Amino acid sequence: SQQGEEDPQALSIQEGENATMNCSYKTSINNLQWYRQNSGRGLVHLILIRSNEREKHSGRLRVTLDTSKKSSSLLITASRAADTASYFCATGSGNTPLVFGKGTRLSVIA
Amino acid sequence: EAGVAQSPRYKIIEKRQSVAFWCNPISGHATLYWYQQILGQGPKLLIQFQNNGVVDDSQLPKDRFSAERLKGVDSTLKIQPAKLEDSAVYLCASSLASGRAWSYNEQFFGPGTRLTVL
Repeated sequence: SQQGEEDPQALSIQEGENATMNCSYKTSINNLQWYRQNSGRGLVHLILIRSNEREKHSGRLRVTLDTSKKSSSLLITASRAADTASYFCATGSGNTPLVFGKGTRLSVIA
Repeated sequence: EAGVAQSPRYKIIEKRQSVAFWCNPISGHATLYWYQQILGQGPKLLIQFQNNGVVDDSQLPKDRFSAERLKGVDSTLKIQPAKLEDSAVYLCASSLASGRAWSYNEQFFGPGTRLTVL
């Protein structure tokens, strides 16, 4: 079963705009990760946020986590055409495997 | 540093035939994962190995799927016999994880094998 559920399913923006994707989950977690998948490729790890963290930054990425609402958001600032990809959240709880959501398909138009 | 290698990249077979996929993880990575990704969905874990032992295979359809990692390095995933619904991308990933809290570890993915069952 897939725990994380991304929203929206698809997003189309102009280059230079910010892109925001959300992830909601159902059970308690101890970490949440975001991955990117370019068309026809494997997934690439972007960022991990632990359950005791509220916000984390990495370059143009900003991730927030609200454990009371069981939700996370991924913000990509000043988007580029190269950011076009599918973005997945994955939830982790200790020694159980990561569970991936269905993903958000982001299209950045030049 | 070399990434996770998978072969073949593409495979087309007819239903009821057999197929095998190969994965070579990043050197030194103790944990290896096989995922199935159906079009439009996220990866679903099929099996997780820690060295050459199975950690989780709860979602592996054991009547037709099998996997092994005999020497704790590379791994093969086999489907026998294949069904139409097995059409998907099969992803292999590895991580350094050597303790029990493997969900904290970054996973490195290979390019995947796209399987089409006709």
